Amino acid sequence: GESVGLHLPTLSVQEGDNSIINCAYSNSASDYFIWYKQESGKGPQFIIDIRSNMDKRQGQRVTVLLNKTVKHLSLQIAATQPGDSAVYFCAENGGSNYKLTFGKGTLLTVNP
Amino acid sequence: DGGITQSPKYLFRKEGQNVTLSCEQNLNHDAMYWYRQDPGQGLRLIYYSQIVNDFQKGDIAEGYSVSREKKESFPLTVTSAQKNPTAFYLCASSKMTGNQPQHFGDGTRLSIL
Repeated sequence: GESVGLHLPTLSVQEGDNSIINCAYSNSASDYFIWYKQESGKGPQFIIDIRSNMDKRQGQRVTVLLNKTVKHLSLQIAATQPGDSAVYFCAENGGSNYKLTFGKGTLLTVNP
Repeated sequence: DGGITQSPKYLFRKEGQNVTLSCEQNLNHDAMYWYRQDPGQGLRLIYYSQIVNDFQKGDIAEGYSVSREKKESFPLTVTSAQKNPTAFYLCASSKMTGNQPQHFGDGTRLSIL
């Protein structure tokens, strides 16, 4: 079946640098995408979402880019801080109004 | 504070025993979900419910059961038929009006004695 995947399982950056986490999706019916952050022993925390009628959306220090042509999603974190260290998941809706399919996650490590 | 509360945080199951994980939300969300997370893996959907007294199987429902008698509550029972129950269980809820983000509790870690 179709699934959400990630290009890199781990990413290590220096504090203050920008981070880019990538996600590929294959379900052409998906029109809603979300990024979550999960710290060790906790549940995923919503970061930002984007609908398919947009190609970019910005939040506080985060930007999500959506390229529907190549089915690619990315999360950019500006001025990465040690508190950003976590696993980041992308999720897609597969055309559903309520169900989500999650990728396996990327572990982001921020070095001081 | 509005949110989702899962209990207990840690749970141990003996062979042949059923255990029930609690999930309560005060966000007034219609939809609720149960996921299983294994180490280094994404979240896999066990069951979901769009409305009280109704629920549907997700991708890995075998060995699990749920009920939705109240809007605020969606307990998950891990039955003895689930042969590999050791995992991190996450409950989530969302609004049903169009695509909305799911909000998660802090999970229950289930282990076998």
